[in-house]
This record gives sequence, C-alpha cells and structure tokens, in this order.
Amino acid sequence: TQLLEQSPQFLSIQEGENLTVYCNSSSVFSSLQWYRQEPGEGPVLLVTVVTGGEVKKLKRLTFQFGDARKDSSLHITAAQPGDTGLYLCAGAYKGGQNFVFGPGTRLSVLP
Amino acid sequence: SQTIHQWPATLVQPVGSPLSLECTVEGTSNPNLYWYRQAAGRGLQLLFYSVGIGQISSEVPQNLSASRPQDRQFILSSKKLLLSDSGFYLCAWSVRQGRSGANVLTFGAGSRLTVL
Repeated sequence: TQLLEQSPQFLSIQEGENLTVYCNSSSVFSSLQWYRQEPGEGPVLLVTVVTGGEVKKLKRLTFQFGDARKDSSLHITAAQPGDTGLYLCAGAYKGGQNFVFGPGTRLSVLP
Repeated sequence: SQTIHQWPATLVQPVGSPLSLECTVEGTSNPNLYWYRQAAGRGLQLLFYSVGIGQISSEVPQNLSASRPQDRQFILSSKKLLLSDSGFYLCAWSVRQGRSGANVLTFGAGSRLTVL
C-alpha cells in the first residue's frame, strides 16, 4: 500500500518569511504532483516532477523530487498572504493511472 | 478546452436516504475518471476510478457505489446514507501532460455532503 506523509501538518508564518514543506514515502512513484487547495474548492495542480533529482521553479516556489523518487519538497521564498492554503502532494502509481495523496500541509501566511 | 462539472455543490441529507452525485467532463474523450472523499481540511481518499464506460474499480469497501453510463459521465451513489458518509466529495479526470508525459488530475469544484 502506497502511503505519503507530509510535514509539517500546520504552518503559520509572517509575510516575507521562507518555508519548506516535505512529502515522504517508502514507495517509489512514477511521478509526483503538488496541488494547492483553498477552502470549499477542488485542488489545483502546481507542478509535476518526474525525474529523480529534478528541480522545478514556479515564481517564488521551488519543487524538488528526491533522487530515489520517494520524496519531494516545496520551498516558498518570501511568502505572501495569497500563498495561504492546503498544500497536497500526490504520487502516481499503477502506470501513472492512479494517485495517492498525502494528508496535506495547511499554510497560513499572516500580513 | 476541457472542463469538469460537478453537482450539487451542497447537499444535506438524513441518515438512510439515497444519494446521487454527478460529474461530467467536456472537451475530451475516454478520460480516466475518479471520485475522492476529503475529510475536513485533510488529504484525499480515493473511492472509485474508471478507465472506461462500465469499468469501475473500488478502492475502499463501503456503502457507496459508482457508475459510468457514458464516456464523460461519472455518478456516485448510495442507497442508504450513513453519518460517516459526510464529507467533501471531489470528482476528477486525468490527462497526460505533454511536457512531462505524466498523468495529472483536474478536479471539479466539489460537493459538500452533510448527513444528519
């Protein structure tokens, strides 16, 4: 059974601070995605990482896929209140047809 | 462009009543379709997925069922709701990204179900 863990579960920081959230598993995934979800809405895809060691940047967000394709990190530089939300990582398995989600990291950025 | 519609957005039902949540996708053909449930502020639990008409795989045994009567229609049902069925239900479809070659999920807006 594939399982994903995320840490921390909750994070409250001031605007302008940097932060890193982690996604870990003992399983290998064909790809890993990060989603952001706002209350009452569906998750929205931020990034997909496929290759071990891959690093992707999306403005102030930096995503890294572990060399063994079992873990990932999301780093946000100079966080803004608009970054507030639930960050979910998801690993693809069964030939990439199915996805398992981590429990999420709830981020609150205070102005 | 592809869009996904999910309804109703909010539903309050008594214990023991039936349930039907509907999801339709536009702008694509033969999508993989999924039903997830999310507990308050937490991760998503896969309930059902479908790779084609009439093909349903269940990930978690429970009193819910799913059907796919048409290529772009996915329905979540129950004959008798339990209190524990309350939650936020999300329909999604997957598509292969051109650049990465990986499948990624696109979600509907969700259906909030409260069972009283």
